[in-house]
Formats: sequence, C-alpha cells, structure tokens
Amino acid sequence: KAGVTQTPRYLIKTRGQQVTLSCSPISGHRSVSWYQQTPGQGLQFLFEYFSETQRNKGNFPGRFSGRQFSNSRSEMNVSTLELGDSALYLCASSLDAVYEQYFGPGTRLTVT
Amino acid sequence: ILNVEQSPQSLHVQEGDSTNFTCSFPSSNFYALHWYRWETAKSPEALFVMTLNGDEKKKGRISATLNTKEGYSYLYIKGSQPEDSATYLCALGDSNYQLIWGAGTKLIIKP
Repeated sequence: KAGVTQTPRYLIKTRGQQVTLSCSPISGHRSVSWYQQTPGQGLQFLFEYFSETQRNKGNFPGRFSGRQFSNSRSEMNVSTLELGDSALYLCASSLDAVYEQYFGPGTRLTVT
Repeated sequence: ILNVEQSPQSLHVQEGDSTNFTCSFPSSNFYALHWYRWETAKSPEALFVMTLNGDEKKKGRISATLNTKEGYSYLYIKGSQPEDSATYLCALGDSNYQLIWGAGTKLIIKP
C-alpha cells in the first residue's frame, strides 16, 4: 500500500508570494490533517479535512487555507508569504481524525 | 481549551537503562490517546493508539498504559538503545474528531 505523498519536497519562495502544497493520502483514508513545524517547535495543527469539508482549524491567520478534493487529495495554500512561514509542512492521513495518523515526508518551505 | 501536557520536556538516559514519561490530558470528551515517535529528519510514526481505560500496549521494548479516569498515559522504554533517541509525542483524540497534540518529550540516549 502506497504511503502518504507530498509535493513538492522542497520549495523556495520570496516574501509576498503565494504557495500551494499538495498531499495525497493513503488510499481509503478520508481524513487529511496539515501541520507546521518550525525549529524548536513541536507540531502546530493547521487544519483537518474530512470528505471535502474542513472540520477543525488551528490558530493560524487566514493567509493559510486548504481544500480537499473528492479523491481525498488535499492542498494547502499560503498567500502573502512572510519570513516566519519558513517551516516544514507535514500532512497526515487517517481513516478519521482520531485514528492512527500516517505522515507524509513533508514539504520544506523556505521564504527569503 | 483542551490541553495535553507531556513531562518531562527532555530526558537524558544512559544506554541500557529503562525510562518512562507521562502524558496528561483532560478526561472529559476522551475518545483515544495516541503515542508517536518522531526521529530527527524523519516524519512522526505511530506507536500506539489506545481507547479503553486500563489499556496496555507493547511493541518490542516499548509499552504504554492508559488511565482515562485520571487522565494520564505512561510510555515505558526498557533497556534504552541509541536508536530510541527521538521526540515522543502524545495526542488526545476527542469526541469532536480533534486530535490535540502535546509538545513532546525529547529523549536522548547516551552511549
């Protein structure tokens, strides 16, 4: 069974630009969650999608948004990038949010 | 706001010694308690998901217990090895389908 995939793996953007990250969950998983990890910080929850609906959202500004498609693939968008958005962005899929999470390899975003 | 607390924040253990750490959580709205291991330069990997009070799970030298009535879970590592060095995260799944994460315990095994 293929694991969770994330594209791209690495990304360099400049301040003010926007970026879209993609996550393909394990087949059959309907829940996709997004997390941010910055140096010295743990996992910061961004949002969770289930069957194309955002069910839960973390404490991030509106510049961070996401969506989920009917095949459960999910995208995360960050607009008007700031230097502080430089981080590792992880997505995780599961049968449902409270079940075992399977993490992708992450996208390393650098904002210059 | 639900809060999941892990202690200690970090831990240095001599190779071969056994160790344990704690995850505390509010017992209301409990659905499941997760433990993950997060090694440097890798993604978090699930160790255990526990749902019943009194649950005990084991994977090799690592085991976990759950007390939902008092709101805590312990993770035990027997005979620590260098490859056990990682951050151990717990997360509370509640009845609103939220997964609330602790900040983690960073374990360093000294050879």
